[in-house]
Amino acid sequence: SAVISQKPSRDICQRGTSLTIQCQVDSQVTMMFWYRQQPGQSLTLIATANQGSEATYESGFVIDKFPISRPNLTFSTLTVSNMSPEDSSIYLCSVLGSNEKLFFGSGTQLSVL
Amino acid sequence: KNQVEQSPQSLIILEGKNCTLQCNYTVSPFSNLRWYKQDTGRGPVSLTIMTFSENTKSNGRYTATLDADTKQSSLHITASQLSDSASYICVVSGGGSYIPTFGRGTSLIVHP
Repeated sequence: SAVISQKPSRDICQRGTSLTIQCQVDSQVTMMFWYRQQPGQSLTLIATANQGSEATYESGFVIDKFPISRPNLTFSTLTVSNMSPEDSSIYLCSVLGSNEKLFFGSGTQLSVL
Repeated sequence: KNQVEQSPQSLIILEGKNCTLQCNYTVSPFSNLRWYKQDTGRGPVSLTIMTFSENTKSNGRYTATLDADTKQSSLHITASQLSDSASYICVVSGGGSYIPTFGRGTSLIVHP
């Protein structure tokens, strides 16, 4: 199994500012994912974070808005840039462990005023 | 297109009662199906994972079934407790992609 430490757990931010979310995994993992979950909705994949290369973004998400770092196989950050109230959501990091099992961080609940 | 549909969207039951949540999917080829429990404001936590050859898998009071022929799964919760109040998400892997397909979840509320 993989244990993921995600922080901050929640934050309230002002419009126009940026927030960086961190995820630390207790083991080396190749694939790391960042998801957004808007109120009442299912999880939507933002991007796949690859170590040593740029992240792969899904349709509707761009690097300028959601820059991602993946400096090594145990750590990644997601920045939500120039925030607006529409960015209020839960942000989750996830890793793919052995046996294709998905493990999730505890989530970051973001509110933008 | 790979899709996962869950029903009902929401469910309210009394403590101690049983309930069954449904998941239908179109993901093909199928790799595995997982049920997650997500408490409000938290990340999903895995309950069960089933591959093609598995029909039933239990985890305490949670029992998941899989019919790969009809592409249906169910999650049965026995003797519900207040702590079972959460969103239950069905996730299917396969479809030629390493990215799994998520259902919208069923929101379960257990009343005392």
